Amino acid sequence: AQRVTQPEKLLSVFKGAPVELKCNYSYSGSPELFWYVQYSRQRLQLLLRHISRESIKGFTADLNKGETSFHLKKPFAQEEDSAMYYCALSTGGFKTIFGAGTRLFVKA
Amino acid sequence: DTAVSQTPKYLVTQMGNDKSIKCEQNLGHDTMYWYKQDSKKFLKIMFSYNNKELIINETVPNRFSPKSPDKAHLNLHINSLELGDSAVYFCASSQRDREDYGYTFGSGTRLTVV
Repeated sequence: AQRVTQPEKLLSVFKGAPVELKCNYSYSGSPELFWYVQYSRQRLQLLLRHISRESIKGFTADLNKGETSFHLKKPFAQEEDSAMYYCALSTGGFKTIFGAGTRLFVKA
Repeated sequence: DTAVSQTPKYLVTQMGNDKSIKCEQNLGHDTMYWYKQDSKKFLKIMFSYNNKELIINETVPNRFSPKSPDKAHLNLHINSLELGDSAVYFCASSQRDREDYGYTFGSGTRLTVV
């Protein structure tokens, strides 16, 4: 079965500290993975696509097929990074499955 | 010039009423979706449409009836509203042959059933 697991519901870090939001997926085919971010009371926005291997707002994510993981990382967290982060898996079947989300809280 | 727009933004209604949420996208995408975000922020797909055709219906009650008059619009009609329907409903769109670009979401409709 296709599944996306984000084990942490809440992650709290201090400003300037490194942050890693974990994401594991279950899919037998070739996955397309994404990170979406939802700031308070705003729409979901695409943050990262694994296929582009880009860095957005200082965030990076590497697909590890051996560990079936796509963790989101940032070396120095900022207060404006506080938001809800969703890992998502697209299997090409007109459906993207979202993880349960991790709320990141960056403390001053 | 909003890419995916939903109306209304807020909807408060009584149990048993019928209501509609509208969604429009101006990105030229051929696929549109409805997602439900519950109180625990969990996002679950409800429907997906490709070129006006229903592709996915994720065991959503019959009280929910999507309608896609054209590729740019996907509306959601809900009959006999129940308390459990209270949630934020997000519309999204994508291009079938560019799924690696991800989805563009609307700003959501917060539905409260009292």
